[in-house]
Order: sequence, then structure tokens, then C-alpha cells
Amino acid sequence: GAGVSQSPSNKVTEKGKDVELRCDPISGHTALYWYRQSLGQGLEFLIYFQGNSAPDKSGLPSDRFSAERTGGSVSTLTIQRTQQEDSAVYLCASSLEGARGTDTQYFGPGTRLTVL
Amino acid sequence: GENVEQHPSTLSVQEGDSAVIKCTYSDSASNYFPWYKQELGKGPQLIIDIRSNVGEKKDQRIAVTLNKTAKHFSLHITETQPEDSAVYFCAASPHYGNNRLAFGKGNQVVVIP
Repeated sequence: GAGVSQSPSNKVTEKGKDVELRCDPISGHTALYWYRQSLGQGLEFLIYFQGNSAPDKSGLPSDRFSAERTGGSVSTLTIQRTQQEDSAVYLCASSLEGARGTDTQYFGPGTRLTVL
Repeated sequence: GENVEQHPSTLSVQEGDSAVIKCTYSDSASNYFPWYKQELGKGPQLIIDIRSNVGEKKDQRIAVTLNKTAKHFSLHITETQPEDSAVYFCAASPHYGNNRLAFGKGNQVVVIP
């Protein structure tokens, strides 16, 4: 079946501009995660959505970052007033049911964001 | 929060030899330990995982061992092949009611033909 998809695959923007990154999770998966991967680093947790519960936003690095998940499916990560340090690969993952704590997360291919 | 450390950062092995990557974690509440393989330009792909109620799991040429007392777990790849060349990430998840993963920084594995 279809995996997690993300768009765009690459995004180049100028410092100060806003960007929106999109994630389409695997159909039927109730949990959705956003991670950030900086060059040569591991994945850094950003935000987690589980069903209709309030999202866990504890990993968002600043108030310039926000995310929505509409209708329990598609998610959009928005970065306002982008800075050069925001340049990274933004990865989305989904799992069948995140609340159990042992659920497999399936990752999308990521969006490579470059802030000039 | 959970802190996962991964060693070595780069590992080169001759084709056919074994590769071992070790990770340590800090939170004794962690109970789920997946390993991901990431090829250039792609997202991480789960290759094997282990839960805290077992000490070892094997899937063909790949195995993972877990030592809860020492808080470390290892990935073993036997009979390495060139297509095993990639970056490997370990991760840990504490059972706090959600499934956020804490990742290590990754190991670059290079299999030399």
C-alpha cells in the first residue's frame, strides 16, 4: 500500500519568508509525528498528533513553528519568518496507534528545506 | 528526557564480515528500541525493533540485543553486503503514553567490496 508522502521534496526560501510543509500519513494511522534532521545529526522530535487529543508540542524549537492536522489525516508544518538555522530535512512519520508506546513509526522521504 | 548515544560514528567493514553498532540510553522507563536504516536522499526505514520483554531478536542477517540492566542495545549485521552501506539510527521510546522516539546521531556503515 501507499506509504507516508511529503511535499514538496525540496524547498528553497529566503530568510524571513514563511513556509508550509505537507504530510500525508498512511491511511488509517491515527498517530502522526514531525521530526527534524539537521546535517550529520540524528532526528529531533518536533510534534506529535494522536487522534483527537491535544498535540504534544513540546519539541517545537520556537513559536515560529506550528503544525496542524486536519480531519485526523493530512498535516501541515508551518515555519514563520524562517531563519538560516531552520535549514534541515523535515521528516514526517505515522503509526497505527501511538499511545501504546511501542508502535512502529513509518517515515516519509522528507522535505529538504534550505533557507538562504 | 531520554538521551540516546550511538557508537561508533563511522564503521567500515569488508564485505562478508560482521558489523556491530552499539547504543546506550538513559531512561530506565524506555521499553521500545527500533533500528532504522537511512539511504542517501530517503527517509529512515525500520529494519528491526525490540521490546523490553525480550533480550534478543533476529531477522535473517540482522539481530538486535538488549541489556536493560546496563541500558544498552546493539545491532548486529552478519555477512555484510554492499547494499548494507547506509546510515543506521537507533532510537528509544519511554512508555509515557505517547510514542515519541529519541534518536541517536547515527552510524555511517561502509561495506567495502
